[in-house]
Amino acid sequence: QQQVKQSPQSLIVQKGGISIINCAYENTAFDYFPWYQQFPGKGPALLIAIRPDVSEKKEGRFTISFNKSAKQFSLHIMDSQPGDSATYFCAASMEGAQKLVFGQGTRLTINP
Amino acid sequence: GAGVSQTPSNKVTEKGKYVELRCDPISGHTALYWYRQSLGQGPEFLIYFQGTGAADDSGLPNDRFFAVRPEGSVSTLKIQRTERGDSAVYLCASSSQGNEQFFGPGTRLTVL
Repeated sequence: QQQVKQSPQSLIVQKGGISIINCAYENTAFDYFPWYQQFPGKGPALLIAIRPDVSEKKEGRFTISFNKSAKQFSLHIMDSQPGDSATYFCAASMEGAQKLVFGQGTRLTINP
Repeated sequence: GAGVSQTPSNKVTEKGKYVELRCDPISGHTALYWYRQSLGQGPEFLIYFQGTGAADDSGLPNDRFFAVRPEGSVSTLKIQRTERGDSAVYLCASSSQGNEQFFGPGTRLTVL
């Protein structure tokens, strides 16, 4: 049973545009929702994370929007740059140092 | 400081052989995780250590997979009687008190 569903699988955005990736989760016990960025041949790198007590968190060009009632959260990349081209994964975990459950990933391409 | 390191970066083995994959976590991180990432997929949890003990090994696919962390730092993932389906990138992550997990570059395992 897939607990975190991510969409779209792939996304092409023009330079300077807004990239939006969505995730939905099933387990209401999840209380930590990170986004990871992965370049080919590298491990995932933590980008930004949110907890359900806030509806939005912004760090630079990256924003997470969180909708607890809908059990959905999304990543917005403002002013997308070619260097943002990578695979992005949403994930979720429960209280404390618990295992992460990952989405299937979104391959983002930013055209110059 | 140094991040999570994994060795070897690549491992090619024959079906039926035994392999060991090593993870050096970030110094001082008490929690250590192993994940497996198949091509085009998100990482899947295998096992989680808190200190020297395995706190959650529910992701290990079968009894051919085993992991140890004898001194609470370095961990070794061991795979017996490898099968072609074991081919994947094996990722290690570590964390301190909270949820943030920092990943290593991974070991790409190919079983011929």
